[in-house]
Amino acid sequence: NAGVTQTPKFRILKIGQSMTLQCTQDMNHNYMYWYRQDPGMGLKLIYYSVGAGITDKGEVPNGYNVSRSTTEDFPLRLELAAPSQTSVYFCASWRGLGTGELFFGEGSRLTVL
Amino acid sequence: GDSVTQMEGPVTLSEEAFLTINCTYTATGYPSLFWYVQYPGEGLQLLLKATKADDKGSNKGFEATYRKETTSFHLEKGSVQVSDSAVYFCALIPRGGADGLTFGKGTHLIIQP
Repeated sequence: NAGVTQTPKFRILKIGQSMTLQCTQDMNHNYMYWYRQDPGMGLKLIYYSVGAGITDKGEVPNGYNVSRSTTEDFPLRLELAAPSQTSVYFCASWRGLGTGELFFGEGSRLTVL
Repeated sequence: GDSVTQMEGPVTLSEEAFLTINCTYTATGYPSLFWYVQYPGEGLQLLLKATKADDKGSNKGFEATYRKETTSFHLEKGSVQVSDSAVYFCALIPRGGADGLTFGKGTHLIIQP
């Protein structure tokens, strides 16, 4: 099982550039999430989606956009990269029923210079 | 809002020592509680979980008990190994919640041979 797959694993951007982090899951989960992880700060929720066509802001959405055109895919877009967006980004999915666990991708390390 | 507080790290122990990582939470209702582990360079993996008061989650020699009266979910292991070196995250998800996990800041555990 592939689970949750993120690409790219590493990327260096210049200030003002744009890019998209890709996330796909093969578990037919309705719920998908994007988190960022900064040293000593845990994980903070950027955006989430409860199903295809539905997205909502999390705790730290500024500077990011998302879309959810299919159940499988949940890309995260950075429009004008800033040094404050240097972080490790994790995508996760959740079955959404009962109290099951979230499944995480391996992470994407982004550096903005 | 919901929050999770866990002990600051890094925590450095010798092999075969007893481990406790404290975690307390604030949440309305009856959340589900989780411990996730992140090994160097990897994503987050579920270590154990508990879904109601007095439940004990266990895995790989680790245990944690859901204590509603003290709003705690402390992680314990009787004899740690070098391979347990990782970052440990306590997290909660509200019952019926859709906006994913709320994480603590993480505790970096270092086990010395």
